[in-house]
Amino acid sequence: AQKVTQAQTEISVVEKEDVTLDCVYETRDTTYYLFWYKQPPSGELVFLIRRNSFDEQNEISGRYSWNFQKSTSSFNFTITASQVVDSAVYFCALYGGGSEKLVFGKGTKLTVNP
Amino acid sequence: DVKVTQSSRYLVKRTGEKVFLECVQDMDHENMFWYRQDPGLGLRLIYFSYDVKMKEKGDIPEGYSVSREKKERFSLILESASTNQTSMYLCASRVESEQFFGPGTRLTVL
Repeated sequence: AQKVTQAQTEISVVEKEDVTLDCVYETRDTTYYLFWYKQPPSGELVFLIRRNSFDEQNEISGRYSWNFQKSTSSFNFTITASQVVDSAVYFCALYGGGSEKLVFGKGTKLTVNP
Repeated sequence: DVKVTQSSRYLVKRTGEKVFLECVQDMDHENMFWYRQDPGLGLRLIYFSYDVKMKEKGDIPEGYSVSREKKERFSLILESASTNQTSMYLCASRVESEQFFGPGTRLTVL
């Protein structure tokens, strides 16, 4: 069975702090995809990144970076110099080649205080 | 750009009413999904469809049904709404590994 665990339910930081959101996944598939989505208070899910299981290169996009480690089944997300606009719920998700389903973690609510 | 639209952003209904939530996508995707989202529970799959007139139960189908008469439209039906169906409902369509989400419908059942 596929499973995504986001152990941090809520995180609160002060603006300009760095923050890392953890994501641990379980799958038996050798080919799979990992995702991060952002959900601001408006409710719409915003796609941030997709990673396939054969690409373990870390990725940086502005203040965002992602660390994919197959050895520990983790796909962590770091926001550098956080801003108030980063306040949202962040979801990690897993899609396996053998399943039609996108499996979500329960989300981490990030609050960035001014 | 792929666009997934949902018929309402906010909806208020009474217990026992029949409720239709509509979702339309404009990219000819075969796969479409309905999720509900509740605080602390993440997104849970209600139903999905991989073709016209085809449907599969997700993880929490009880109390819901779906309809897919045309490829671009996937409807979620609450036959008799109950207060525990108050939630955020998200529709998505998929091509290969990538899912595209609609803006969501916040349904309140009184």
